[in-house]
Amino acid sequence: RKEVEQDPGPFNVPEGATVAFNCTYSNSASQSFFWYRQDCRKEPKLLMSVYSSGNEDGRFTAQLNRASQYISLLIRDSKLSDSATYLCVVNSYKAAGNKLTFGGGTRVLVKP
Amino acid sequence: DTEVTQTPKHLVMGMTNKKSLKCEQHMGHRAMYWYKQKAKKPPELMFVYSYEKLSINESVPSRFSPECPNSSLLNLHLHALQPEDSALYLCASSQDRGGQGYTEAFFGQGTRLTVV
Repeated sequence: RKEVEQDPGPFNVPEGATVAFNCTYSNSASQSFFWYRQDCRKEPKLLMSVYSSGNEDGRFTAQLNRASQYISLLIRDSKLSDSATYLCVVNSYKAAGNKLTFGGGTRVLVKP
Repeated sequence: DTEVTQTPKHLVMGMTNKKSLKCEQHMGHRAMYWYKQKAKKPPELMFVYSYEKLSINESVPSRFSPECPNSSLLNLHLHALQPEDSALYLCASSQDRGGQGYTEAFFGQGTRLTVV
């Protein structure tokens, strides 16, 4: 089983609609969680950190469910510019040190 | 300033060449990373430096040799690469809070490497 798993999509979303997707992680001791956005041939850019109580940044809402070991991202009122690959990143502390592990990414295509 | 700067942006090298990738950050971050990303795949961790010491090596072949000269700089020395090593090489940095985990990581724009 991969450490961090995501539905690869693509999620085809009408402009203005809401889309949500999850990321599951296998290490129950994981400590920090993040969502990144990556555009084609660009570097990953931090979208938001994910806090235990859930957090919102404009049209984006992130949730963490430690009991079921998943995080989620919800995008409201989708814009064409939201089309990208969304990468889930999980930090786990091991004896060797901290390790940031990426999920495979979820591709979102927002269409007019 | 949340900038991580990587040079060069593009690199074409032969299989017998020696080259180096460079990465610099001035955010005071004490964790720095090298990732490799192939097309349509997520970034794969190669190395982690924590407080200028190599803390994680993900079984990377010895033809890749990392170096952390100081807390702001990270290099990746390349020697005798293979065509399958062609990829986007990403550098990132973050705060390192030890057992308390990381803060968010910031990525450079990457070096697109082609091995011929």
